[in-house]
Amino acid sequence: EAQVTQNPRYLITVTGKKLTVTCSQNMNHEYMSWYRQDPGLGLRQIYYSMNVEVTDKGDVPEGYKVSRKEKRNFPLILESPSPNQTSLYFCASSLMTGRQEKLFFGSGTQLSVL
Amino acid sequence: GESVGLHLPTLSVQEGDNSIINCAYSNSASDYFIWYKQESGKGPQFIIDIRSNMDKRQGQRVTVLLNKTVKHLSLQIAATQPGDSAVYFCAENMQGGSYIPTFGRGTSLIVHP
Repeated sequence: EAQVTQNPRYLITVTGKKLTVTCSQNMNHEYMSWYRQDPGLGLRQIYYSMNVEVTDKGDVPEGYKVSRKEKRNFPLILESPSPNQTSLYFCASSLMTGRQEKLFFGSGTQLSVL
Repeated sequence: GESVGLHLPTLSVQEGDNSIINCAYSNSASDYFIWYKQESGKGPQFIIDIRSNMDKRQGQRVTVLLNKTVKHLSLQIAATQPGDSAVYFCAENMQGGSYIPTFGRGTSLIVHP
């Protein structure tokens, strides 16, 4: 089944404790991205990647890191989480055909930073 | 980027009615538009898309209309069912842009049986 898999589904942590949220897709998509979703603010893009070893900042990249060492994986790293990073996070992927294509989203990771 | 807005944050309809969810966009250079559905506890799911060379596209029970003159997008759902209850987002993209789609804040559709 074609899917984007995120782990963990729920995560509670404390300020300053490094964490990684994993994302993997099995559709051979070149494009992958991370979003955070907050009430009243909708989906905001954190980082995106157009291929292996190619990453770019989205609208709200501060406090986050990403890496794209393999085509299928795109982990989101919070080196020193803070309470304002408490949010619902989504990973997404799509084909790159020379023009925009629809996104496939994971099921989300609910992060709480205490 | 420029924001995509939604006219109504919540839409309540009766089962069997037709639903219309509206979206205004402000970037006249946008040329690809997508509607996503997000059910409670799940990630957004693609419903239908339309490119700027079209003004109407139909899927199964859904139709998207694009009015480039007034920069307006709408999603019509025919014979709305309880399973259609969700938050609906529109998103806009610009070909040749930075691959950062702009999402609206969403409209919550509530279908009453």
